[in-house]
Amino acid sequence: KAGVTQTPRYLIKTRGQQVTLSCSPISGHRSVSWYQQTPGQGLQFLFEYFSETQRNKGNFPGRFSGRQFSNSRSEMNVSTLELGDSALYLCASSSFPGQGIYEQYFGPGTRLTVT
Amino acid sequence: KNQVEQSPQSLIILEGKNCTLQCNYTVSPFSNLRWYKQDTGRGPVSLTIMTFSENTKSNGRYTATLDADTKQSSLHITASQLSDSASYICVVNYGQNFVFGPGTRLSVLP
Repeated sequence: KAGVTQTPRYLIKTRGQQVTLSCSPISGHRSVSWYQQTPGQGLQFLFEYFSETQRNKGNFPGRFSGRQFSNSRSEMNVSTLELGDSALYLCASSSFPGQGIYEQYFGPGTRLTVT
Repeated sequence: KNQVEQSPQSLIILEGKNCTLQCNYTVSPFSNLRWYKQDTGRGPVSLTIMTFSENTKSNGRYTATLDADTKQSSLHITASQLSDSASYICVVNYGQNFVFGPGTRLSVLP
């Protein structure tokens, strides 16, 4: 069974631009979560989607948004990029949303560098 | 405030030695606690998931313990290997949310 895939793996953007990251979950998984990981803040939850609906959202500004398609693939968008948005963006998929003991499987991440 | 703390921040051990990583949490209501291993430049990989009623769980050379009364967990690595060099992240699930610890960076030297 193929794992979680994220594209692109690396991205360099300049301040003020916008970016879209893509995540394809494991086949059959309907829940996709996004996380930002930086050396200073560690892993921080961005949002979670289940069956095309955002179920949960972390404490990030409105510049961060996402969506999920009917095939469970998800995209996240960051508008008006700032230097502080440079991070590893991780996507995780699971059968069901965050509650319970459902296993979360992480993708390799997209490394975003904002210059 | 829901928080997860891990110690030590970093650790260096020699190949073949054992080590124990600590996790303290102040998360409520508690649902489960997870340990992840993250190799540099890669996504985290789950090692164990423990619910309130479990106090020990093993996955090969990794053994996690949980004391729900004191809100502490530990991850014990036996007979370390070079491939154990990674960050180990403790995560507590409450309701529909996760709280991540800052991680412990483990380096195993030959």
